[in-house]
Amino acid sequence: ETGVTQTPRHLVMGMTNKKSLKCEQHLGHNAMYWYKQSAKKPLELMFVYSLEERVENNSVPSRFSPECPNSSHLFLHLHTLQPEDSALYLCASSPSWAGELFFGEGSRLTVL
Amino acid sequence: AQSVSQHNHHVILSEAASLELGCNYSYGGTVNLFWYVQYPGQHLQLLLKYFSGDPLVKGIKGFEAEFIKSKFSFNLRKPSVQWSDTAEYFCAVNAGNTDKLIFGTGTRLQVFP
Repeated sequence: ETGVTQTPRHLVMGMTNKKSLKCEQHLGHNAMYWYKQSAKKPLELMFVYSLEERVENNSVPSRFSPECPNSSHLFLHLHTLQPEDSALYLCASSPSWAGELFFGEGSRLTVL
Repeated sequence: AQSVSQHNHHVILSEAASLELGCNYSYGGTVNLFWYVQYPGQHLQLLLKYFSGDPLVKGIKGFEAEFIKSKFSFNLRKPSVQWSDTAEYFCAVNAGNTDKLIFGTGTRLQVFP
């Protein structure tokens, strides 16, 4: 139990589908993150939210759309994805800037 | 742009062998440094961290890391590994107290009994 819960754990979607990944943190943290983990590549920071405001968008294509309705929940909306978007998507939270990140177990996405 | 390099991509050791995993970063200012571990099928979790003070940092499960500012390095060490240390290890750097944590590509460690 990490305190950061991600659903679904596995998702298979076609290139024309629309789906969403959900992240919930039970730690009372102020910042939440989406990272992409692909084989043999560094973890790529996608989005950062602090106190529900997006503070970072790391040049992510618009087919990925984040939403942070409150400090405990973070979504990643997916539409018209490409096969190269297949990866493990990790959500993390942090109590403060520059602090330790607490990760969820990830959502494994496969785009056909 | 800031970057983190982990030169060892795959390390194979026998139990009781000593371990050192390299991590170098490119940033000249204040840094916070982290090592994370990902055991098979599990989430990323913090192994140890350095913010300031003693450059030799002790973490969980007998791991330690040394921050050498002049070498821009934060190598991870363990004197005697166990089979249960089999995992992927990630070095990460937060540069200049920003909201960005930059990760290396990871090192896969396999320990054989």
